[in-house]
Amino acid sequence: DADVTQTPRNRITKTGKRIMLECSQTKGHDRMYWYRQDPGLGLQLIYYSFDVKDINKGEISDGYSVSRQAQAKFSLSLESAIPNQTALYFCATSDTGDRGQDTQYFGPGTRLTVL
Amino acid sequence: AQKITQTQPGMFVQEKEAVTLDCTYDTSDQSYGLFWYKQPSSGEMIFLIYQGSYDEQNATEGRYSLNFQKARKSANLVISASQLGDSAMYFCAMREEYNFNKFYFGSGTKLNVKP
Repeated sequence: DADVTQTPRNRITKTGKRIMLECSQTKGHDRMYWYRQDPGLGLQLIYYSFDVKDINKGEISDGYSVSRQAQAKFSLSLESAIPNQTALYFCATSDTGDRGQDTQYFGPGTRLTVL
Repeated sequence: AQKITQTQPGMFVQEKEAVTLDCTYDTSDQSYGLFWYKQPSSGEMIFLIYQGSYDEQNATEGRYSLNFQKARKSANLVISASQLGDSAMYFCAMREEYNFNKFYFGSGTKLNVKP
């Protein structure tokens, strides 16, 4: 089974709808992240959480909110989806590691289309 | 300023040959980590290799090696003996230890391996 799972894998929704993307991990990592990927722009950080009580905004948090329900679960919400939020969304996890490298491990991605 | 620059949007390499993917970075931190990820057409992000700023040796992982030139702020990925399955997007990323451990990603290089 995958260490980092995302649901749904694909979603088509309409402008103005509320949508939640969910992420679960079995790696036991404290740190979790949400990114979006647009063609030609690499990945941009939306929110990150270093533990259950710690939530931080990333580069592009406007229009998004998150919830860290447990160490293993980190959800991303779009309160009122708009077409320019159409993108591939990744959840990632990390921990310090034995060399302090803090490598991030990614889920399979959720492809979101907002019509 | 861009934290991570990948100047090669696309590259071709003949199967079984070696290829170098370029990455330069910008940081004033003394402690940082550099990463390479592979994204095949299926979309997942796969961690390949890590180099710490204090590591004296270049990192190697199987057919992947990282040519780390600290003074030039470059962290090029070298893939030896290319295989058809190496065709994918490749992203360089950096983590600055004192910048809340955020990851910065480059815009990627699309590698095509020709038979």
